[in-house]
Amino acid sequence: DTGVSQNPRHKITKRGQNVTFRCDPISEHNRLYWYRQTLGQGPEFLTYFQNEAQLEKSRLLSDRFSAERPKGSFSTLEIQRTEQGDSAMYLCASSLAKGHANTGELFFGEGSRLTVL
Amino acid sequence: AQSVTQPDIHITVSEGASLELRCNYSYGATPYLFWYVQSPGQGLQLLLKYFSGDTLVQGIKGFEAEFKRSQSSFNLRKPSVHWSDAAEYFCALNSGYSTLTFGKGTMLLVSP
Repeated sequence: DTGVSQNPRHKITKRGQNVTFRCDPISEHNRLYWYRQTLGQGPEFLTYFQNEAQLEKSRLLSDRFSAERPKGSFSTLEIQRTEQGDSAMYLCASSLAKGHANTGELFFGEGSRLTVL
Repeated sequence: AQSVTQPDIHITVSEGASLELRCNYSYGATPYLFWYVQSPGQGLQLLLKYFSGDTLVQGIKGFEAEFKRSQSSFNLRKPSVHWSDAAEYFCALNSGYSTLTFGKGTMLLVSP
């Protein structure tokens, strides 16, 4: 399967614990995005990378959230000291972008569902 | 600021009937517009996109959408709905340089 891969698919944790999600994008894609989706809402942008550089972060991304893409390939999203409000589906997407343009199709993974008890 | 509004949270359509899902956007110029579909437990899949040119765009699975600048709309249509079309549909836009902004989605239910 050469699509976007995310793991774990489901994570249940207790409030205050740290969690980490991993995303493996389509191999030739240079951009990688993280979105969050809660019930009844559309996906909300969190952050994106072009290669290894994190180019934009949403105000939704509090200090407890950190994302990395160390070698421009896979990415991790870590949430420290989880809160119940962090319960959501975390979606990863990748695309092939040319220069600064962002008109390429985003290919989404199946998401990582986080439940914070 | 850019925004997308999908006025209908749920829509129920009989199998074989036609479908129209509404999408309105707010943006100062002509945006790039997209429709994605999300089936339960699945990621989002692109149905179609509008960048420029012909205002009626064709997508996968028999879907089409029409861009109407005067109405700031990009409604999704299908002439005959199949039970497998039951899913959540998201309209989205970007400026070509910004990230995608999504609407809240419309859940499509297909009745026999």
